[in-house]
Amino acid sequence: EPEVTQTPSHQVTQMGQEVILRCVPISNHLYFYWYRQILGQKVEFLVSFYNNEISEKSEIFDDQFSVERPDGSNFTLKIRSTKLEDSAMYFCASGDPGVNQPQHFGDGTRLSIL
Amino acid sequence: KNQVEQSPQSLIILEGKNCTLQCNYTVSPFSNLRWYKQDTGRGPVSLTIMTFSENTKSNGRYTATLDADTKQSSLHITASQLSDSASYICVVTLSGANNLFFGTGTRLTVIP
Repeated sequence: EPEVTQTPSHQVTQMGQEVILRCVPISNHLYFYWYRQILGQKVEFLVSFYNNEISEKSEIFDDQFSVERPDGSNFTLKIRSTKLEDSAMYFCASGDPGVNQPQHFGDGTRLSIL
Repeated sequence: KNQVEQSPQSLIILEGKNCTLQCNYTVSPFSNLRWYKQDTGRGPVSLTIMTFSENTKSNGRYTATLDADTKQSSLHITASQLSDSASYICVVTLSGANNLFFGTGTRLTVIP
């Protein structure tokens, strides 16, 4: 069964540095998402992406964050000038069009900011 | 404010027993309600998706119910197995949107 894959599985970065989290969505999916989960807390929506542009974003997704689909397969989340509070598990998901379609999640990248 | 609340926070049951997890939501307008299973260290996996007009949906030993009037849902697990040990997360989609509102989950532990 096709899977969403995320790399790296764990990223350790110094505060203030930029970090790029990478995702390979399921190949025929058209919607892409990023979520984060701070340790011990619930999953939070960050952004959805469709047709090469952001379709929705949450309050968390401020100017520090950006997303890109640089080629036909990768979907990236960039965090500029990371802060301690950015430490979390970041999940990528992809899905077919339609709000009643399931979203398929990757296993996440654990981001640790020192 | 759009919120999703789940109970209990954690649950321990014996292998082979049934259990029911609860979800209350205030998300409005409502599009659909999803139940996800999240194993430790893994991403969430979709179990069921129910729209406003559906009041029950099954996926193997998992049966979800939805009462859109009272804004409540439940997930019933039948004949539990050790592999059912995971967090079960209730997720509600806002109508006309693609973003999901997640509950904090119920941590289920099945013991032999």
